Amino acid sequence: KAGVTQTPRYLIKTRGQQVTLSCSPISGHRSVSWYQQTPGQGLQFLFEYFSETQRNKGNFPGRFSGRQFSNSRSEMNVSTLELGDSALYLCASSLVGLPQETQYFGPGTRLLVL
Amino acid sequence: GDSVTQMEGPVTLSEEAFLTINCTYTATGYPSLFWYVQYPGEGLQLLLKATKADDKGSNKGFEATYRKETTSFHLEKGSVQVSDSAVYFCALIGGSNYKLTFGKGTLLTVNP
Repeated sequence: KAGVTQTPRYLIKTRGQQVTLSCSPISGHRSVSWYQQTPGQGLQFLFEYFSETQRNKGNFPGRFSGRQFSNSRSEMNVSTLELGDSALYLCASSLVGLPQETQYFGPGTRLLVL
Repeated sequence: GDSVTQMEGPVTLSEEAFLTINCTYTATGYPSLFWYVQYPGEGLQLLLKATKADDKGSNKGFEATYRKETTSFHLEKGSVQVSDSAVYFCALIGGSNYKLTFGKGTLLTVNP
């Protein structure tokens, strides 16, 4: 079974631009979560989607948004990029998002904002 | 809110040494507990998990026991290898908030 895939793997943008990252979950998984990883803040939760509905959102500004499609694929968008948005963005999927389930992570998209 | 505290390291050991990485947590209700590992340039891989008190998770020689009375989930391995060099993250999911809360991570370097 294929794992979680994320595209693109690397991105370079400039301040003020916007970016869209994509995540394809493991086949059959309907819960998709996004995390931001930085050296200073560590791993922080962005949001979680299940059946096209956002069920939880982390403490990030409104410039960070996401959505989930009917095939469970998910995208996240960051508008008006800032230097501090440079990070590794990780996507994870699980069957339905229950606490006892394992979340499987993709390789991440590394975003550099210049 | 939920939180995880783990020793931040870095931890440097010789091959075949004993490893302990401490992890304590604060959460409402009965969280599920996880250890994830991240190798250089890669995403996170689940190492082991425990979903209720006194459960022991184990994988690849690593073990951790869910201790509700001390709110701890310490990671141990009896004999580390060079290939175990990575960053280790303790994490929890509490209640029905659908999100993993991570510790800061511990960088482990194992020298031959």
